[in-house]
Amino acid sequence: DTAVSQTPKYLVTQMGNDKSIKCEQNLGHDTMYWYKQDSKKFLKIMFSYNNKELIINETVPNRFSPKSPDKAHLNLHINSLELGDSAVYFCASSQEGRNYGYTFGSGTRLTVV
Amino acid sequence: AQRVTQPEKLLSVFKGAPVELKCNYSYSGSPELFWYVQYSRQRLQLLLRHISRESIKGFTADLNKGETSFHLKKPFAQEEDSAMYYCALIPGGYNKLIFGAGTRLAVHP
Repeated sequence: DTAVSQTPKYLVTQMGNDKSIKCEQNLGHDTMYWYKQDSKKFLKIMFSYNNKELIINETVPNRFSPKSPDKAHLNLHINSLELGDSAVYFCASSQEGRNYGYTFGSGTRLTVV
Repeated sequence: AQRVTQPEKLLSVFKGAPVELKCNYSYSGSPELFWYVQYSRQRLQLLLRHISRESIKGFTADLNKGETSFHLKKPFAQEEDSAMYYCALIPGGYNKLIFGAGTRLAVHP
């Protein structure tokens, strides 16, 4: 019954590999996001999708490609992983026009070795 | 540009002491302001929204437009309050949640 679920929870991979993180929300929200939390715990938005359309792309390298097959899913594919990509990635969702804030997933801890 | 500033990286208090986590924002319009909490290795959870003026787990926050502040307060800290606290804003008409750098609250017995 988790509202925003991400898989996998942990991901350890070698430099140069390609990996994907999946996110699904069952709240009926129309907007989904990816945030990156770095080693200093700073949270920065990466992407935002509204009804499957890209709304925000915060100067993220092209190696990161989000995909939204429907408004309940927002996946993140990362090509040619680098050491600096190691972080916790959080998915979130919200309903446009309502000021209830965002609902976050539990995060995916990505470690690139 | 919109910005959220949390000047303290770490706030360390003893159980029962009052707590104030500072948050200042930079935005010319009327923002929506929030406090989120992240317990160790868990997801971010919404703690407070300024618009609802509610009190959650004994925490309150008042928006001061003159000082552009939204400080989080609790009169008596509990050990279970130990966590990372993030102040965040959504600029009006622009659905993008901008976070401050976070403040780690450590409550000692």
